[in-house]
Amino acid sequence: QLQLQESGPGLVKPSETLSLTCTVSGGSINTNYFWGWTRQPPGKGLEWIGGIYYNGDTYYNPSLRSRVTLSVDTSKNQFSLRLTSVTAADTAVYYCARSIRYWGQGTLVTVSS
Amino acid sequence: DIQMTQSPSTLSASVGDRVTITCRASQSISDWLAWYQQKPGTAPKVLIYKASTLEIGVPPRFSGSGSGTEFTLTITSLQPDDFATYYCQQYKSFSPWTFGQGTKVEIK
Repeated sequence: QLQLQESGPGLVKPSETLSLTCTVSGGSINTNYFWGWTRQPPGKGLEWIGGIYYNGDTYYNPSLRSRVTLSVDTSKNQFSLRLTSVTAADTAVYYCARSIRYWGQGTLVTVSS
Repeated sequence: DIQMTQSPSTLSASVGDRVTITCRASQSISDWLAWYQQKPGTAPKVLIYKASTLEIGVPPRFSGSGSGTEFTLTITSLQPDDFATYYCQQYKSFSPWTFGQGTKVEIK
């Protein structure tokens, strides 16, 4: 059974960089699936951030494109998200997923000083 | 961006009711549409993909239909476990993938 697990700091200071990693177990990341990130501010709807294929091809939400970097580490079966210059508006639960069918449980990241 | 408009935003219903949620795309997405159920504090769970394909393990009271720009999610007989928020999502185009604003199904 494929499982995804997000990890990273739960608190980030304004103007700093948010970094999250998604660890994939029960299957290889080195397959032709799309590995993505979605976020959900408290009490609000879902926003797609972007995603990456195992070969490194990336797709970003234009609204976040200038601040987001996605990467994949096939040796560790992980993929990662970096979001720079964060503000309170970036406070959200961040989910990683394989395409649309397999999601991690999500991790809350709060931006606050 | 392809805009996804869901209606209604809130729906009050009773156990046993037939419930229909609509999602409209701002341009044709063929059948590249998924429906999710989300309960508080949990990740979205896919119910339907490719507009009408039921995810493994999802009860058959859930069904999806539509293509192009108009889509519906139907629950034929609402059960207590179905009170949740439902989202549609288009995944035809990476520029970007987009979600509807959600429909909260409440107990009447």
